[in-house]
Amino acid sequence: GAVVSQHPSRVICKSGTSVKIECRSLDFQATTMFWYRQFPKQSLMLMATSNEGSKATYEQGVEKDKFLINHASLTLSTLTVTSAHPEDSSFYICSARGEGISGRSYEQYFGPGTRLTVT
Amino acid sequence: AQKVTQAQTEISVVEKEDVTLDCVYETRDTTYYLFWYKQPPSGELVFLIRRNSFDEQNEISGRYSWNFQKSTSSFNFTITASQVVDSAVYFCALMAFFGNEKLTFGTGTRLTIIP
Repeated sequence: GAVVSQHPSRVICKSGTSVKIECRSLDFQATTMFWYRQFPKQSLMLMATSNEGSKATYEQGVEKDKFLINHASLTLSTLTVTSAHPEDSSFYICSARGEGISGRSYEQYFGPGTRLTVT
Repeated sequence: AQKVTQAQTEISVVEKEDVTLDCVYETRDTTYYLFWYKQPPSGELVFLIRRNSFDEQNEISGRYSWNFQKSTSSFNFTITASQVVDSAVYFCALMAFFGNEKLTFGTGTRLTIIP
C-alpha cells in the first residue's frame, strides 16, 4: 500500500522558535496533501489542504501566517509552525492523496504523525 | 455542512466479546463516502474501510463487519471475538463525493479490550 512518512516524529522546541515538519509520499505522487491537528483525546481537525504548486487552502480559524504550508513537489509538503507557543503543542498529522487509474483516489494515506511540544 | 457523531466516547469489553461502535452522520450531499479508521496508541491512523453512499451492502472482513443504513444515516462497525490488539481509538469519517475531498471526522470511540 501507499506509504506516507513524517519527519520528525517528535520535536521539543522553545517558545518563540519555528519548527518545520515534513510530509513525504514515498511510493506515489501526491497531488493533494492535508494537514491535521489532534489535541489529546480529541478528534482530528483539518488545518489546511495543499495542492502541489499552488497556495494552501486554510480552514476557518487557522492562522496562515502562523502555520506556513509549502507543497513544492508531488512527494513533499512541509508545515512550519512559526514563533511557536505552548498552546501550539499538539499532534500534527499529514495525509496524502494520489491520482488513481480513473483520475481519482479516495483513500487518504496518513503519516505517522509528529508530536510537537513547545516549552 | 457535514457532521459525524460517535456518541460512545469510551467502551470497555472483555476479550472475545463482540462490540459495536456507532456512527451517525449528517450531510446534504447525495453522494458521499464513509470511512472507518483505527488509531492505535502509536498514533498512526490505519485505514479500515471506505463505503460509497450508493452501495448499502454490508461488508465483512475477518472479524470486522460494517452495517451501512442510509435510512438512518448510520454506519456502524462491529468487531466479533474481540482481541487485546483491537484496543485503539476508532474514528468514523465522511467525505463528499464531489468537491475538495476533505474528510470530516467524528470524535472517536476509545475501545479497550480487557484480557
